[in-house]
Amino acid sequence: AQSVTQPDIHITVSEGASLELRCNYSYGATPYLFWYVQSPGQGLQLLLKYFSGDTLVQGIKGFEAEFKRSQSSFNLRKPSVHWSDAAEYFCAVDSGGYQKVTFGTGTKLQVIP
Amino acid sequence: EAQVTQNPRYLITVTGKKLTVTCSQNMNHEYMSWYRQDPGLGLRQIYYSMNVEVTDKGDVPEGYKVSRKEKRNFPLILESPSPNQTSLYFCASSLLAGVNEQYFGPGTRLTVT
Repeated sequence: AQSVTQPDIHITVSEGASLELRCNYSYGATPYLFWYVQSPGQGLQLLLKYFSGDTLVQGIKGFEAEFKRSQSSFNLRKPSVHWSDAAEYFCAVDSGGYQKVTFGTGTKLQVIP
Repeated sequence: EAQVTQNPRYLITVTGKKLTVTCSQNMNHEYMSWYRQDPGLGLRQIYYSMNVEVTDKGDVPEGYKVSRKEKRNFPLILESPSPNQTSLYFCASSLLAGVNEQYFGPGTRLTVT
């Protein structure tokens, strides 16, 4: 069965600092991978996705993520964090069209001045 | 405006009183899904639907029912709610399963006493 691990429950960074959120997945083949962001009291919004091709994908709001098959990872990065990036971030995997989507437990990002 | 709507947004009910949470999308999406979000557990898929009259269980289907009689609607039914179903519920839709991103509704906060 597929699974997603986000090892960091909570991360605090200073505004302007770089950010990396970790995501590891378990799935036999190449999965479809997603990062979503959830602002307080809101639904989820897609940041970026990967399903094939270039392993470095660009998303909205200046985020990017790199798919590393050898490490079964899909880490999210941003070079300079803004206070408005404070939110909860979820990594998700879709098992290649079999409709079953598994989310990680989320990483809550706090941004301090 | 393309969107997923859920009603009600907030609901407090008592154990055993049947309830329905409605979900509707106006994007002609084929795939729809229900999730529950609990602290520390992330989002867990309850049921999903690939198209009209096609539904299947997710990871946590016990105590829930769904139906998909029309493409745009995907109601979640709790026949006999229990306190352990107190949660934040999200409906989502996507054009197709797999590579397509999911669009999320605003969420329904359910409390069962």
